[in-house]
Amino acid sequence: EPEVTQTPSHQVTQMGQEVILRCVPISNHLYFYWYRQILGQKVEFLVSFYNNEISEKSEIFDDQFSVERPDGSNFTLKIRSTKLEDSAMYFCASQSGTSWNEQYFGPGTRLTVT
Amino acid sequence: QKEVEQDPGPLSVPEGAIVSLNCTYSNSAFQYFMWYRQYSRKGPELLMYTYSSGNKEDGRFTAQVDKSSKYISLFIRDSQPSDSATYLCAMRDNFGNEKLTFGTGTRLTIIP
Repeated sequence: EPEVTQTPSHQVTQMGQEVILRCVPISNHLYFYWYRQILGQKVEFLVSFYNNEISEKSEIFDDQFSVERPDGSNFTLKIRSTKLEDSAMYFCASQSGTSWNEQYFGPGTRLTVT
Repeated sequence: QKEVEQDPGPLSVPEGAIVSLNCTYSNSAFQYFMWYRQYSRKGPELLMYTYSSGNKEDGRFTAQVDKSSKYISLFIRDSQPSDSATYLCAMRDNFGNEKLTFGTGTRLTIIP
């Protein structure tokens, strides 16, 4: 069964460093998302991406964040200058063009900022 | 008032019992309602979704939506130890926005 994959599973970085989190969505999906989950808190929407552009973003997704689909398979989230409060699980999700309510999530990348 | 409220639990029930998980919400624009299961340190796994009010059944799982009360439920029949996980409700509106708004999740343990 196709699934969303994410790398790395765990990333440790120092405050102020740039990180890139990578995702490979399900191959025929058209809509891509990033969510995050701070430990003990709810899953929060960051950004949605369709047709090579951002379609929606939350207030969390400020200028420090960017997303890219550099080729036909990868979808990346970049944090330019990490802060301690960026420590969280980051989940990528994808959705086909026909199943509007079926977002499939990857296993997540745990980001630890020290 | 939070947009989506969910009792975090923990909730422990004996194997074979019927489990009832619930969420309330405040945004009347929400039209689509999902239930996800999340095992420890894993990504959310979609269980089922419903549109507007009514019931939907899938095997041992039944999702129920009452839009007049802004209240949704997930029932698990014949609960199994493998059902032990955190259950997240999520919802979205009908205005073309795809973002999901999640509840905090209810941690469920099924006791053998």
